[in-house]
Amino acid sequence: NAGVTQTPKFRVLKTGQSMTLLCAQDMNHEYMYWYRQDPGMGLRLIHYSVGEGTTAKGEVPDGYNVSRLKKQNFLLGLESAAPSQTSVYFCASSPPGQGVRGYTFGSGTRLTVV
Amino acid sequence: RKEVEQDPGPFNVPEGATVAFNCTYSNSASQSFFWYRQDCRKEPKLLMSVYSSGNEDGRFTAQLNRASQYISLLIRDSKLSDSATYLCVVPKTSYDKVIFGPGTSLSVIP
Repeated sequence: NAGVTQTPKFRVLKTGQSMTLLCAQDMNHEYMYWYRQDPGMGLRLIHYSVGEGTTAKGEVPDGYNVSRLKKQNFLLGLESAAPSQTSVYFCASSPPGQGVRGYTFGSGTRLTVV
Repeated sequence: RKEVEQDPGPFNVPEGATVAFNCTYSNSASQSFFWYRQDCRKEPKLLMSVYSSGNEDGRFTAQLNRASQYISLLIRDSKLSDSATYLCVVPKTSYDKVIFGPGTSLSVIP
């Protein structure tokens, strides 16, 4: 069982470049989330989605855009990367009503912006 | 005061020791709490829920102190495999909106 798959696993970007991180889940979960994790800080919610075609802002949405065109995929876009976006990005999915108890995380994407 | 605070550690303990971590939170209305475990360079995974009456799972015990607004995690008979970072998770406004603490690092030494 694949669960939640994130691609790519590693990436180095130059300031100003753009990229898209892909999160794919095969558990038919309604809810999907994008978090970033920085040293000394907890995971912070960037954007989330409660269903196909819907997205919402989390705690730190600036500089990111998302799309959920298909239920199984949640894309995170960086239009113009900045060094402050150097981080580890985790995607998670969950069934509705279970909250964080039902989270399945992907293995993460390590992004460095130089 | 930060919404969720944890002692970052690291806690270095010998095998077989008992160790406890605390996590303080500021939102007194929070209802459901959780402990997650994160191995080095891996994704977080749910360790256990924290109930008002406490929760025990083998060597792990989680407690909630509403009056002082903290949750605790006690690990007995520490194993090398317990070495990880332990994240507390506190609900913010609803089930689906939570705050992850920064984590406490544990190293169990042979």
